[in-house]
Amino acid sequence: NAGVMQNPRHLVRRRGQEARLRCSPMKGHSHVYWYRQLPEEGLKFMVYLQKENIIDESGMPKERFSAEFPKEGPSILRIQQVVRGDSAAYFCASSPLGRGFDQPQHFGDGTRLSIL
Amino acid sequence: AQTVTQSQPEMSVQEAETVTLSCTYDTSESDYYLFWYKQPPSRQMILVIRQEAYKQQNATENRFSVNFQKAAKSFSLKISDSQLGDAAMYFCAIIQGAQKLVFGQGTRLTINP
Repeated sequence: NAGVMQNPRHLVRRRGQEARLRCSPMKGHSHVYWYRQLPEEGLKFMVYLQKENIIDESGMPKERFSAEFPKEGPSILRIQQVVRGDSAAYFCASSPLGRGFDQPQHFGDGTRLSIL
Repeated sequence: AQTVTQSQPEMSVQEAETVTLSCTYDTSESDYYLFWYKQPPSRQMILVIRQEAYKQQNATENRFSVNFQKAAKSFSLKISDSQLGDAAMYFCAIIQGAQKLVFGQGTRLTINP
């Protein structure tokens, strides 16, 4: 009974490289959310996706960041040309199909991204 | 816009005693859910308890209970019989129709043996 799976757990990139973070939601969950946690802060919403659709990307920076949740495979958060300020923990959460509003979001263990 | 405020950056309590973590929020909606999440050093986000705004009865989960004051927009978490394993960051969060969680800044709870 796997929970939300995120990989890698730790990712180190040099400035200017690309970072790809993967998230496989819990079985039966079709809503995926990405959050970012800077050191000593709470989680901040980035993007909400359903299969093949971006529902809400109001928390995602307009440049360098993109997210997808294809029909097959995990959700991907991509950060191009990373900068030091992208260093953070990135969490994925999922909730079931339907009225996700009242379904608690289940979180993965996060990916800690470090930029050298 | 929704906001969540946790005014206590750090709290400490003696093992076996009771501690209350504060949370206030702001929303213009009447229908929403409130949550407390726990984040231990392992960094996992663990759901502790949730409260539906339209329910007047305070939610309870074993040693964890909330004091939900809707008019005051307050949602505090009470931990009874504190245990060493309760040491963690605790985040208060709200969700409404937009389906995105809005988190507070967190309270770091230390349990003194």
